[in-house]
Amino acid sequence: LAKTTQPISMDSYEGQEVNITCSHNNIATNDYITWYQQFPSQGPRFIIQGYKTKVTNEVASLFIPADRKSSTLSLPRVSLSDTAVYYCLVGASYNTNAGKSTFGDGTTLTVKP
Amino acid sequence: GAGVSQSPRYKVAKRGQDVALRCDPISGHVSLFWYQQALGQGPEFLTYFQNEAQLDKSGLPSDRFFAERPEGSVSTLKIQRTQQEDSAVYLCASSLGRQITSTDTQYFGPGTRLTVL
Repeated sequence: LAKTTQPISMDSYEGQEVNITCSHNNIATNDYITWYQQFPSQGPRFIIQGYKTKVTNEVASLFIPADRKSSTLSLPRVSLSDTAVYYCLVGASYNTNAGKSTFGDGTTLTVKP
Repeated sequence: GAGVSQSPRYKVAKRGQDVALRCDPISGHVSLFWYQQALGQGPEFLTYFQNEAQLDKSGLPSDRFFAERPEGSVSTLKIQRTQQEDSAVYLCASSLGRQITSTDTQYFGPGTRLTVL
């Protein structure tokens, strides 16, 4: 099960672009990369998922280099409401071999006025 | 459509009491998960159901924790003789697929915050 490493926290200002990078050196060939967002008092919410190169949706972009050993979640023009914890997951959220969540502790993004 | 719902949202128990936490998954979702989330940490896996079958309960911290999903829809997580270390948010999630693959998105409920005094 691929281990992920993310920064514990990041600060930004409204209107800026925010990039959160996740390292996953031992990603498996068939693993996808998924990002979740969690607001206080809520469960995590799916943001975006990708396998390689670039994926974009209405919320974010996900950049994955050719070696797939890292990925970067890009949030364009953040607002105060983007303040949340962001989790990077590699592979399945549940792994029958490991039997343990791979959420890690995430990155706490704080957007300031 | 309706998302995953959990009840109660908040539960205060005295040490030694039994509690039952309910999860209503999205209709038609085969897979159901329970997680425990301590303050400031990410969700930690507790157990996984595929329909009514509990395929993995390796994350349950002790035999005081018990989960069931008898008809393959609603699930209940029961904690017997609660201890202070059981205080956490308990999250339920469901996903559509029968086999958990990298592309299966989990849909989470709002969680139940359990406080044991």
